[in-house]
This record gives sequence, structure tokens and C-alpha cells, in this order.
Amino acid sequence: GEDVEQSLFLSVREGDSSVINCTYTDSSSTYLYWYKQEPGAGLQLLTYIFSNMDMKQDQRLTVLLNKKDKHLSLRIADTQTGDSAIYFCAEYGAGSYQLTFGKGTKLSVIP
Amino acid sequence: IAGITQAPTSQILAAGRRMTLRCTQDMRHNAMYWYRQDLGLGLRLIHYSNTAGTTGKGEVPDGYSVSRANTDDFPLTLASAVPSQTSVYFCASSDSGRGNYGYTFGSGTRLTVV
Repeated sequence: GEDVEQSLFLSVREGDSSVINCTYTDSSSTYLYWYKQEPGAGLQLLTYIFSNMDMKQDQRLTVLLNKKDKHLSLRIADTQTGDSAIYFCAEYGAGSYQLTFGKGTKLSVIP
Repeated sequence: IAGITQAPTSQILAAGRRMTLRCTQDMRHNAMYWYRQDLGLGLRLIHYSNTAGTTGKGEVPDGYSVSRANTDDFPLTLASAVPSQTSVYFCASSDSGRGNYGYTFGSGTRLTVV
């Protein structure tokens, strides 16, 4: 079945780069997403990548997709304290017609 | 409104009581979803609706029911609340006809069953 795995915690120093990793199992995935959840709030879509792309860059965010290994990563350059949040990876599989979410990675930024 | 509105924001509920969590969207999205979020378990899908008039069960549907009488509203009902239903509940919607299937989420309802 479909599964999305992420490490649960990541801690970085302010100004460093953060890399959050995700693996998925559904080879038919068409879109892959990164969501951000700040404390006490709902999930906000950060960025997404179509499965025929290897990389997508959006300001401080870089998404890398290795479709062969079913590995997705989110790099945040110059990490700020405001980036402290939980980051969810999600895949859209053509067979399920729904998003499958990972359990989320809690990013803590140390000033 | 812009997006998804959930109500109430938070609620303390006595066990055994009936409760309806409200969800309204103004984006004319065809699909809507209810998730619960619990520490260490991530988001778990309770029920979903691909279009008005249809609903389906997710990963954890027991103890919950939904209806989708129109495009905009997707209420979630707990018929007889139990303490294990203490959680944060999120409603979401998506426009699957657009090709990008990303979800828009509400701000959540924090429910405590005592």
C-alpha cells in the first residue's frame, strides 16, 4: 500500500540550511507536496512538484525529487526562527485520488 | 470568507454527548475531507467526499458520520463522544478537476472529551 515516511525531528541553527527528507512508495504518484504547519494552525501548502520534474526552486525553498529512489527533499536556505514548524510531505497517487501524508517533521531553529 | 471556515475553534465536551463540527468552504471545490491530528500519529483521514451527495470512509471512520448536502458544507458528527476522540480536527478541500490536487486546510477544531 501507499506509505510516506519522514524523520520526526530536525534541529538547525539560524542562518544554516535545513534539509527535510521524505520517501514514498507509490510509483504512480503524479504530484508531491510540502505543507507547513505552524503551532496552533492548520496546514499551509508551501510548494509542490510534478513527477516529471527533478527540481523546483521558489525563493529560499528548493525541492528535489529522485523518482527512481522515490525520495523527495525540501531544502530551506538561510533558515529563520519563523521557519520553526512541522513540515508534512504528501503524495498524490493516481490510484487513490487522495493525498497520502507523512507524519511530519518538526523543525526547530536555534537562534 | 476566504477558504475554509471551521467552527467551533475549540470545545470541551462531556463523554456521551453528541457534537457536530462545522466546515464551510467558498472555493467551490468538489472534494472535501476530515482529518484528525494526534501527537505521533500525524494526520489520519476520517471521512471524505469526492462530490456533493457522496461520502466515503477513511482510515478511522468509527464513531463519526458526515453528510454532503451541498458543495460548500461538510459537517462531521460525533454521535456519542468518547475520550479517545480528543484530538484536533481539520477539514480540507481540493479541486481535483484542476490537475493540481493540493488540499486547502481549515484552521482546525480542538476537541477535548472529558
